[in-house]
Amino acid sequence: SQTIHQWPATLVQPVGSPLSLECTVEGTSNPNLYWYRQAAGRGLQLLFYSVGIGQISSEVPQNLSASRPQDRQFILSSKKLLLSDSGFYLCAWTPGPLPGTEAFFGQGTRLTVV
Amino acid sequence: SQQGEEDPQALSIQEGENATMNCSYKTSINNLQWYRQNSGRGLVHLILIRSNEREKHSGRLRVTLDTSKKSSSLLITASRAADTASYFCATNPISGAGSYQLTFGKGTKLSVIP
Repeated sequence: SQTIHQWPATLVQPVGSPLSLECTVEGTSNPNLYWYRQAAGRGLQLLFYSVGIGQISSEVPQNLSASRPQDRQFILSSKKLLLSDSGFYLCAWTPGPLPGTEAFFGQGTRLTVV
Repeated sequence: SQQGEEDPQALSIQEGENATMNCSYKTSINNLQWYRQNSGRGLVHLILIRSNEREKHSGRLRVTLDTSKKSSSLLITASRAADTASYFCATNPISGAGSYQLTFGKGTKLSVIP
């Protein structure tokens, strides 16, 4: 069966520090991968998605970047965190290569920038 | 940007009652999906309804879709305290690069009182 791992679960980082959140999927190949951010009491905002290794689509210009160094690994990064980067970050995958299927989510990372 | 808008934002009912949540969206879709999120956790897929379907059932869940009105509803029958969660609708665009995306609304927070 397929599983998605996202870590860490919680993170407190000072303003200006770097960020690296990692997400891995097991039990499938060539998944479509996604990073979302959820502000308190809000819906999910799509940040990045990837349909293959090295292919990253950015939806929102911001202080963050994403990379997909391996088929089932998706990394969210920042060189210098801002207070506004605080939020709940969720990684998700859908079966590739076709679009329009159900998404499977990780348990999320609660990021607080102080 | 968020395409789906759920209504109401919050709903409180007694155990055993039915809960109805609505979702409106703006553009043409390939499918519409409903997700559940327990507090501080990742989202869990509940049901997917395609644009050529009008109604779908899964256990105690019933989803309707009216593409002419660009709206959907989620009905949970005989609610239980364990149904307490936030419920989100997500739309999948009909074609193009955007077809890999899911656009989420802000969610309905459901509280089921024992």
